[in-house]
Amino acid sequence: DAGVTQSPTHLIKTRGQHVTLRCSPISGHKSVSWYQQVLGQGPQFIFQYYEKEERGRGNFPDRFSARQFPNYSSELNVNALLLGDSALYLCASSSGNLGNEQFFGPGTRLTVL
Amino acid sequence: DQQVKQNSPSLSVQEGRISILNCDYTNSMFDYFLWYKKYPAEGPTFLISISSIKDKNEDGRFTVFLNKSAKHLSLHIVPSQPGDSAVYFCAARKGGTSGSRLTFGEGTQLTVNP
Repeated sequence: DAGVTQSPTHLIKTRGQHVTLRCSPISGHKSVSWYQQVLGQGPQFIFQYYEKEERGRGNFPDRFSARQFPNYSSELNVNALLLGDSALYLCASSSGNLGNEQFFGPGTRLTVL
Repeated sequence: DQQVKQNSPSLSVQEGRISILNCDYTNSMFDYFLWYKKYPAEGPTFLISISSIKDKNEDGRFTVFLNKSAKHLSLHIVPSQPGDSAVYFCAARKGGTSGSRLTFGEGTQLTVNP
């Protein structure tokens, strides 16, 4: 079975641009969460979606938004990119809302110049 | 406000010996704790977890201990193998309506020397 997949693998953008990151959860998983990992730190929670509804939002500005589609895949959108948005963006899926076991994808490495 | 802390950025052990990774938390609302392992250029891989109603959980070479009164948990790896060399993250989840949001520590780089 395929694990969590994310696209693209790497992305380079300039300040002020917009970016869309994509995630496909493990088949049968209905919850998707997004995390940002800056070098040298642990992942920081951005959003959780379960059954296409937002179930949690971390301490990130409104430039960050996300959605979940009927097939449970998800997109993370970031507007007006800043240099500080450069990070590894991780997607995690779990079968239920509580997500006792969350499975992470390989991440998308975003570099903002 | 760092609610989950891993105070040791790095740990080096000899192959075959025990590795002990430590994690402290401050929020008493956390009810579920997880350990993840991360290799470079890969996403974190789930290792083992423990509910706050238990004080120990074991899975093969990996054992997690939870001391609620001290708000401390540890991961024991016995015996350590060179393939265990990776960054280890401790994570915690709140009960109630917090969904699956995880709060991570900063990570500990484990190096197992042959």
